[in-house]
Amino acid sequence: GQQLNQSPQSMFIQEGEDVSMNCTSSSIFNTWLWYKQDPGEGPVLLIALYKAGELTSNGRLTAQFGITRKDSFLNISASIPSDVGIYFCAGPSLDYGGSQGNLIFGKGTKLSVKP
Amino acid sequence: GAVVSQHPSRVICKSGTSVKIECRSLDFQATTMFWYRQFPKQSLMLMATSNEGSKATYEQGVEKDKFLINHASLTLSTLTVTSAHPEDSSFYICSAKSGNFYTEAFFGQGTRLTVV
Repeated sequence: GQQLNQSPQSMFIQEGEDVSMNCTSSSIFNTWLWYKQDPGEGPVLLIALYKAGELTSNGRLTAQFGITRKDSFLNISASIPSDVGIYFCAGPSLDYGGSQGNLIFGKGTKLSVKP
Repeated sequence: GAVVSQHPSRVICKSGTSVKIECRSLDFQATTMFWYRQFPKQSLMLMATSNEGSKATYEQGVEKDKFLINHASLTLSTLTVTSAHPEDSSFYICSAKSGNFYTEAFFGQGTRLTVV
């Protein structure tokens, strides 16, 4: 079945550093989504990617849709304490032809910032 | 973005009782709502998809009779955990979709269910 593999699982970074995380799959995806989840909250969409090779930015965040359509990465530049949280990649489930908007999620990358 | 509200945010119930969780889209009509479950330090797992006025579609392995979903209006879906047991303790999150694009799905803040 479809699976999204995220790495790293967790990371500690120094404030001001750049961060990079990625998501891979053995299946092709037509859409890649990146979410951030704060503790005790629902996920919030950060960036959506719809075309292979697409590079999209949202403030200090940049994400790319891999050419093979089997991977995506998310970069955070000049990290700050409020970047702490869990970052999930997600893509449409192929069940129902991916038409209903059902998503499958990666296991997340937990970001912690050293004070 | 649009607002999706879940209620309650936390609930503790006794084993054997039922708990209802509400998911409301506050400023848009949601043609489709999704219910996810998240265990500690794990990812979100889709439980079911519901379209207004029709029966929910459950993912494989999710018991329909245990997790009752009702999507009676375009702004409200409910998830009822029936005869709850401690293993049902989890974080339940709904998502409401207003259009055809994935970016038009918004998540609620989640409900922490603890069954004692």
